[in-house]
Amino acid sequence: AAGVIQSPRHLIKEKRETATLKCYPIPRHDTVYWYQQGPGQDPQFLISFYEKMQSDKGSIPDRFSAQQFSDYHSELNMSSLELGDSALYFCASSLDPGYEQYFGPGTRLTVT
Amino acid sequence: RKEVEQDPGPFNVPEGATVAFNCTYSNSASQSFFWYRQDCRKEPKLLMSVYSSGNEDGRFTAQLNRASQYISLLIRDSKLSDSATYLCVVIPGSARQLTFGSGTQLTVLP
Repeated sequence: AAGVIQSPRHLIKEKRETATLKCYPIPRHDTVYWYQQGPGQDPQFLISFYEKMQSDKGSIPDRFSAQQFSDYHSELNMSSLELGDSALYFCASSLDPGYEQYFGPGTRLTVT
Repeated sequence: RKEVEQDPGPFNVPEGATVAFNCTYSNSASQSFFWYRQDCRKEPKLLMSVYSSGNEDGRFTAQLNRASQYISLLIRDSKLSDSATYLCVVIPGSARQLTFGSGTQLTVLP
C-alpha cells in the first residue's frame, strides 16, 4: 500500500540558511500534519492542513511556514535556521481530521 | 505535568512473556486514543486505535477507562520483533493533532 513520502530524507544546512521539506500524503488523504522530534524527545505537533487550509497550529516558530497545495502535498519552509532546529521532521496524513494518522519516514535535518 | 503520562520503563522481558503498559491523560474531553510503536530513528507506526469497549488485534489488547482517564496495552507471547518504544497517543479535546506520551521502551530478550 502507498505510504506517506517525504523528501529529502536527510538534509544538512548551516546556521541562518533556509530549508524546504516536502510531504506527499497517502492517496485520498486530505489532511496533513507536521511534527518535530528532537533527540530523545517525543514528537511535537507543528502545524496541520485540511483541504489546503491551515487547520491547527502548534509550537511552530515564526521562522517556519507551511502550506498545502492543490494536489494535497505539503511543504514546510524553514528560514534563519538555528542549531536547535536539528531534529527529525515527520509528516503524517489522515483520511479526515481526527482519523488515524500515518507517518512518513521523516526528514533528518542537521544544522551546523 | 505532561498531557499524556506513561510508565517510564524500560521493560526488559524474556520471549514469550506478557507485558502491560499503562498511560494516563489529563484532558477529560479527549476523544481519540492510539498506541503507536517507534523503532530507533524511524517513524511512529500505528499499532492500534483504542476504543471504549476495548479491542484486540492478535497478541495485542488495548483498554480504555474514560472515568479514570487511563489507557493500557497488553502484549502476550512477546516476540523479539516487539522490541521498540511504545507511544501512548491522544487527540485532546477538539484538537485534531496527536499528543504523545514520552514512550515506554520494551526490549524482548532471547
